[in-house]
Amino acid sequence: ETGVTQTPRHLVMGMTNKKSLKCEQHLGHNAMYWYKQSAKKPLELMFVYNFKEQTENNSVPSRFSPECPNSSHLFLHLHTLQPEDSALYLCASSQVSGGVTGELFFGEGSRLTVL
Amino acid sequence: ELKVEQNPLFLSMQEGKNYTIYCNYSTTSDRLYWYRQDPGKSLESLFVLLSNGAVKQEGRLMASLDTKARLSTLHITAAVHDLSATYFCAVVSGGSNYKLTFGKGTLLTVNP
Repeated sequence: ETGVTQTPRHLVMGMTNKKSLKCEQHLGHNAMYWYKQSAKKPLELMFVYNFKEQTENNSVPSRFSPECPNSSHLFLHLHTLQPEDSALYLCASSQVSGGVTGELFFGEGSRLTVL
Repeated sequence: ELKVEQNPLFLSMQEGKNYTIYCNYSTTSDRLYWYRQDPGKSLESLFVLLSNGAVKQEGRLMASLDTKARLSTLHITAAVHDLSATYFCAVVSGGSNYKLTFGKGTLLTVNP
């Protein structure tokens, strides 16, 4: 496997379900990100992890809970979501050096539909 | 708060024609990225522009950065159908060097 892989690619869940999105990067990077892409909106940064430490939480509702057990894996735990949370969730990784990120490499995304 | 504006948001052009997509941003930054996204696919990195006056070219696409004007351009030369996609610019926020702020994207359609 190369690059950034995300699973599942598609997920349909009810508002009372609990599910998780998984991301794995094979690039040796030290930072990982979750972005949300909704129709007609710019990509929204949700969370940033650098060396497994969360460095950014962009005012994301608590029904989204990230987990970064090591610098290669990132999860997004989902519970009691709303229909407006339906979107494409993109994971990305980058190499941060001197406190500045290089270019981000994105996974294929997880298409989430909340019924 | 950093704002990134792209225009146009929609661009329909004929094969063989030239056009430019513009990306303006509101606060100082010297690091700008261009990405391409095909329908149902992820974002693919096209260009990384790291300094004022930087110019990068790949095939029919050329990107430039003017940090004083806070403007980047993506120029398309002699468009072909394969260039049809959504193009995003993204700027590193001055206050947070981990955060890329994206424009809304330009949906480019190249017609035969």
